[in-house]
Amino acid sequence: EPEVTQTPSHQVTQMGQEVILRCVPISNHLYFYWYRQILGQKVEFLVSFYNNEISEKSEIFDDQFSVERPDGSNFTLKIRSTKLEDSAMYFCASNLGDSSDTQYFGPGTRLTVL
Amino acid sequence: AQSVTQLDSQVPVFEEAPVELRCNYSSSVSVYLFWYVQYPNQGLQLLLKYLSGSTLVKGINGFEAEFNKSQTSFHLRKPSVHISDTAEYFCAVSYSGAGSYQLTFGKGTKLSVIP
Repeated sequence: EPEVTQTPSHQVTQMGQEVILRCVPISNHLYFYWYRQILGQKVEFLVSFYNNEISEKSEIFDDQFSVERPDGSNFTLKIRSTKLEDSAMYFCASNLGDSSDTQYFGPGTRLTVL
Repeated sequence: AQSVTQLDSQVPVFEEAPVELRCNYSSSVSVYLFWYVQYPNQGLQLLLKYLSGSTLVKGINGFEAEFNKSQTSFHLRKPSVHISDTAEYFCAVSYSGAGSYQLTFGKGTKLSVIP
């Protein structure tokens, strides 16, 4: 069964450093998403991406964040200058489109900012 | 804007006992409703979803949920739980109109099945 994969599973970085989180969505999916979950809090939407551009983003997704689909398979989330409060589990998801369609989630990347 | 409330952060239950995990939502527009499960060290997996039609929805692993529009609830139930059901369960909603596909999640309920 196709699945969404994410690398790395755990990333430790120093405050102020740039990090890139990588995702490989399911191959025939068209919409891609990033969510995050700070420990003990809700899973929160960050951004959705379709047709090589951002289709929707939350207030969390400020100028420090960017997304890219550099090739036909990868979908990346870049945090330009990490802060302590960026420590969280980051989930990638994908689906074929529209809000009734199931979003398939990856296993997540745990980001720890020291 | 929509929001989701899962009142119980942790639910312990004995093996083979029934369980209900509660979810309430608030939204000024029509929504779709989802339950996801997260097993340790894994991603979120869809259990079931309500889009329209019959208010009782059956999902994987023997789970079902009932949509109650008047009470704005979408509680998840299973008549007899197994050890393997130990996981975290997330209720989520999405806007049923065009243009917004994001999921809004509750805080999750950790189900612990006791042998």
